[in-house]
Amino acid sequence: AQSVSQHNHHVILSEAASLELGCNYSYGGTVNLFWYVQYPGQHLQLLLKYFSGDPLVKGIKGFEAEFIKSKFSFNLRKPSVQWSDTAEYFCAVKGGFKTIFGAGTRLFVKA
Amino acid sequence: NAGVTQTPKFQVLKTGQSMTLQCAQDMNHNSMYWYRQDPGMGLRLIYYSASEGTTDKGEVPNGYNVSRLNKREFSLRLESAAPSQTSVYFCASSEDGRNTEAFFGQGTRLTVV
Repeated sequence: AQSVSQHNHHVILSEAASLELGCNYSYGGTVNLFWYVQYPGQHLQLLLKYFSGDPLVKGIKGFEAEFIKSKFSFNLRKPSVQWSDTAEYFCAVKGGFKTIFGAGTRLFVKA
Repeated sequence: NAGVTQTPKFQVLKTGQSMTLQCAQDMNHNSMYWYRQDPGMGLRLIYYSASEGTTDKGEVPNGYNVSRLNKREFSLRLESAAPSQTSVYFCASSEDGRNTEAFFGQGTRLTVV
């Protein structure tokens, strides 16, 4: 069965600080990994995805994530956050037809 | 581009009432999903449909039924609403293939009193 664990439930940063959100997954098959973002009052949108190839994946708005197979991890990073990055971030793993999400990390960026 | 459209956006029900949440997508996707979002629990899969005519249970199917009416539409029904079903419900769709992302609707905020 698929499962996803996100380490931090709430993160508070100042603008220009670096961000790293942890994600570990469990799945017995070929992994397909995603990070989604949900801005306040909005629906989820895709930030980036990994399914094969270069384990360092670049997404929108300066986000990137690194797939480390040996650690079953897919951590999200951004070198310098902005106030507009305030949102909830979800890691997800897709196996077959089902996509399973982590519990989410709420990020608040202080201006 | 409409994408994934859900109705209604807000709903208040009394315990024991029934209702159907509607979802339609115009992207010609085969796969459709219903999730519920609760604080601290992320999104949990209720039911999904890999193609027209098929439906399968997800992580939390109890208390819900679904219908894949055609390729475009996937409805979620609460036969006898309970306060534990107070949540935000999201419908999503995706193309076939393991590397394809889900596209989400705007959500339905449901309160059961």
